[in-house]
Amino acid sequence: DQQVKQNSPSLSVQEGRISILNCDYTNSMFDYFLWYKKYPAEGPTFLISISSIKDKNEDGRFTVFLNKSAKHLSLHIVPSQPGDSAVYFCAPGDSSYKLIFGSGTRLLVRP
Amino acid sequence: DTGVSQNPRHKITKRGQNVTFRCDPISEHNRLYWYRQTLGQGPEFLTYFQNEAQLEKSRLLSDRFSAERPKGSFSTLEIQRTEQGDSAMYLCASSSLLQGRSSGANVLTFGAGSRLTVL
Repeated sequence: DQQVKQNSPSLSVQEGRISILNCDYTNSMFDYFLWYKKYPAEGPTFLISISSIKDKNEDGRFTVFLNKSAKHLSLHIVPSQPGDSAVYFCAPGDSSYKLIFGSGTRLLVRP
Repeated sequence: DTGVSQNPRHKITKRGQNVTFRCDPISEHNRLYWYRQTLGQGPEFLTYFQNEAQLEKSRLLSDRFSAERPKGSFSTLEIQRTEQGDSAMYLCASSSLLQGRSSGANVLTFGAGSRLTVL
C-alpha cells in the first residue's frame, strides 16, 4: 500500500534550466507536505514544505505546487545548479506526527 | 547544537548476533523517530517517541527490534538475532512542533544514519 509515489527514479537537467520533480499521494488526510534532499552518506535534509490549505510555497530557487484535487505535488528548482544533484524525497505528514516518504527521485544537474 | 548524532556510523555483524544503535537528538526536541532505508527506497517509519513514551510502532517492526528512550533524551535501537534482511541504513530523527515552519509542518531533522551490514 504505497501512499506516496515518486514515479520518476531519475531526472537529468542542464545547469541553469528548470528541474521539476513530481509526487503523487493517495491519502487525502495529509496535512502538510515536505521535500527532503539527500546526499550520499548523509541523512535527508529538509528543503521546503507546503500546507494542505495552500497551493504554492516559494523559497528562493525552490517552489512547491500542490494540487489537492489531483493528489499531486511538484517541486520546481530554477535555475538548477550542479550542487542540487541529490536524491529528493516527497514526505507528507498528518496529525500522527510521522512522515511517509516516497521512493525518491535522483536529480543530476549537468554543468 | 551539533544536530542529531548517531553511533556507530557503520556496523558489520554476522547473522544471529545482536546489534545496538544509539541516537542523540537535538536537545530541545521532544520527539524522536527511527526510520530504516534500503537501497533505492525512501526512509521507512519504524517507531517514534514523545519524551520517554513510545507512541507508535510500525507493524513492520518485528519482535526482534526494540527501541528505548529511557530518560527522554538519547534513544537506542536494538536488533536481536540479526538476519541478512536487516541490512539497511537506520536513520534517527528528532523534531519539535514548536519549531514548525510556516506550514505548521512537523519538520524532522535527521542524523547521518547507522549502516548495518549482516553477513
